Amino acid sequence: NAGVMQNPRHLVRRRGQEARLRCSPMKGHSHVYWYRQLPEEGLKFMVYLQKENIIDESGMPKERFSAEFPKEGPSILRIQQVVRGDSAAYFCASSPPTGTRSTEAFFGQGTRLTVV
Amino acid sequence: AQSVTQPDIHITVSEGASLELRCNYSYGATPYLFWYVQSPGQGLQLLLKYFSGDTLVQGIKGFEAEFKRSQSSFNLRKPSVHWSDAAEYFCALNRDDKIIFGKGTRLHILP
Repeated sequence: NAGVMQNPRHLVRRRGQEARLRCSPMKGHSHVYWYRQLPEEGLKFMVYLQKENIIDESGMPKERFSAEFPKEGPSILRIQQVVRGDSAAYFCASSPPTGTRSTEAFFGQGTRLTVV
Repeated sequence: AQSVTQPDIHITVSEGASLELRCNYSYGATPYLFWYVQSPGQGLQLLLKYFSGDTLVQGIKGFEAEFKRSQSSFNLRKPSVHWSDAAEYFCALNRDDKIIFGKGTRLHILP
């Protein structure tokens, strides 16, 4: 059973370009979370999605950032018109559809975005 | 309000010494708590978790954590650290079905 797969592992974008980060959850998992990690700041929650639904996007910046988790295919975190401050490691996690608070999340290896 | 607080940003211990990493949480209901470890350039690996029952939880790699409701703490311990334990450690809380992390403690090991 493959773990959470994120790609690409490293992504370089010029200012103003779009970045698309992909996350394939573990088999059987229907909950996906995205986190951003900046140096010395730990992991900041961005968004929580279930299939075709955004459950909680309280951590998403109001502009330029969007996320989706379609019925088929991976979850996508999309950053439009990237700026230098978007440079960070973005982690995806998934959990099974038990709906209980006791379930831990399984993390991918992350995508390291560098904006030049 | 900060849900999870890790008061130590950096901790340095000698190889073979004991370790305790502090974590305090703020949550009204029964907390579901986790410790994750992140090696440089890697994702996060779950060390252990507390849901209910025995307040002393055993994890992987020789780690354990003790839940103390009266102190709102969930400190991570290891009796004897190895050089390979050098990493960043995150305490986390499941709140409203999402996992909230502390800012992490970076562990340095002296030879």
